[in-house]
Amino acid sequence: ILNVEQSPQSLHVQEGDSTNFTCSFPSSNFYALHWYRWETAKSPEALFVMTLNGDEKKKGRISATLNTKEGYSYLYIKGSQPEDSATYLCAGQGSNYQLIWGAGTKLIIKP
Amino acid sequence: GAGVSQSPSNKVTEKGKDVELRCDPISGHTALYWYRQSLGQGLEFLIYFQGNSAPDKSGLPSDRFSAERTGGSVSTLTIQRTQQEDSAVYLCASSQQSRAREQYFGPGTRLTVT
Repeated sequence: ILNVEQSPQSLHVQEGDSTNFTCSFPSSNFYALHWYRWETAKSPEALFVMTLNGDEKKKGRISATLNTKEGYSYLYIKGSQPEDSATYLCAGQGSNYQLIWGAGTKLIIKP
Repeated sequence: GAGVSQSPSNKVTEKGKDVELRCDPISGHTALYWYRQSLGQGLEFLIYFQGNSAPDKSGLPSDRFSAERTGGSVSTLTIQRTQQEDSAVYLCASSQQSRAREQYFGPGTRLTVT
């Protein structure tokens, strides 16, 4: 895995609205895809780790999907709340264990 | 239970001095990672440990950087002859296994080289 890209770079969402953003990665030499939430002045916190094509995972209002054949993952947030404001990072993991991190999507929830 | 801890939380040092950053992983976690985040940048992988060995040192930016891990637990990242470009937040993370398991991050050490 050489490069992981995330889009958009930043996103402003009205409280109560749903949103999603994208992580793309090279599909060759893929082992796992990680999603983390990084709040200001805190450490990154794991959301999901997915390995299989078609994987879908859910934690409360947040869910993620994985397509390893085309090399992308979506993160969805349903009914955004102010506490969802954070930077969402994805990272690809290949056979050499190293995580390659995207630059993140900064989510700002407007009340 | 106790999470990943790092010390010091902040370090200001003069250019050319050596610094040591410490990471205490979660007990029982065999994998340990060091990352850094420079101002305005994303997370940069530095080094990874499985037990006490470091199979992947490819991320270390120069030979001024070294790391060790003893007893499968505490790890120390050493930066010799610090330069201003070394200023960053250094994060440590641990996980139960080396792959496909979530990583638990420490609070980080903010290093400022003056």
